[in-house]
Amino acid sequence: DTEVTQTPKHLVMGMTNKKSLKCEQHMGHRAMYWYKQSAKKPLELMFVYNFKEQTENNSVPSRFSPECPNSSLLNLHLHALQPEDSALYLCASSHPDTRSNYGYTFGSGTRLTVV
Amino acid sequence: GQQVMQIPQYQHVQEGEDFTTYCNSSTTLSNIQWYKQRPGGHPVFLIQLVKSGEVKKQKRLTFQFGEAKKNSSLHITATQTTDVGTYFCAGLLLGGNTGKLIFGQGTTLQVKP
Repeated sequence: DTEVTQTPKHLVMGMTNKKSLKCEQHMGHRAMYWYKQSAKKPLELMFVYNFKEQTENNSVPSRFSPECPNSSLLNLHLHALQPEDSALYLCASSHPDTRSNYGYTFGSGTRLTVV
Repeated sequence: GQQVMQIPQYQHVQEGEDFTTYCNSSTTLSNIQWYKQRPGGHPVFLIQLVKSGEVKKQKRLTFQFGEAKKNSSLHITATQTTDVGTYFCAGLLLGGNTGKLIFGQGTTLQVKP
């Protein structure tokens, strides 16, 4: 079991739908991330939040909209997605001190299919 | 942009054989991390290397960080079927108040019993 919880585990949505992915961690981490994992591609960093503030937007299309209500929660709002957005979306969190030796803790991911 | 390249993409070995995956960065890294993702699972942190030339061992796994802090390797001695999965290296790039972890493409290891 992972200490980063993602819901839902699976999501099928049409191109006109609006849906949200949710991520929650209770490890006291202050940095949270969204990654996209497509087949045969490396994990792509999408967004970085540090102490609830967005510090990185890796040229992600506006149809993906992140939200960080507090330091334990990170949402990803989806609207007007394209079939090529189908992928595994992974949330991760980390200790704010990059010198710590714990790495990133990933959630189990949401398998998204856009039809 | 910053890139982390990893080779090989796939490796099939007989149980008991050794396995190595290599990671190269286009830029100097603050540190490098290694993750393992089992089929159908999510990446799980294995280890972090910080110092130039650092070598760390975890049982049958040996991790190395290059002198220039731009390359790394993971070597598994005498593979077992439980080693099956995709191994990712990830380089940490520091900037501002946070770093960002850039992942390599991963090496998928298959072990034949």
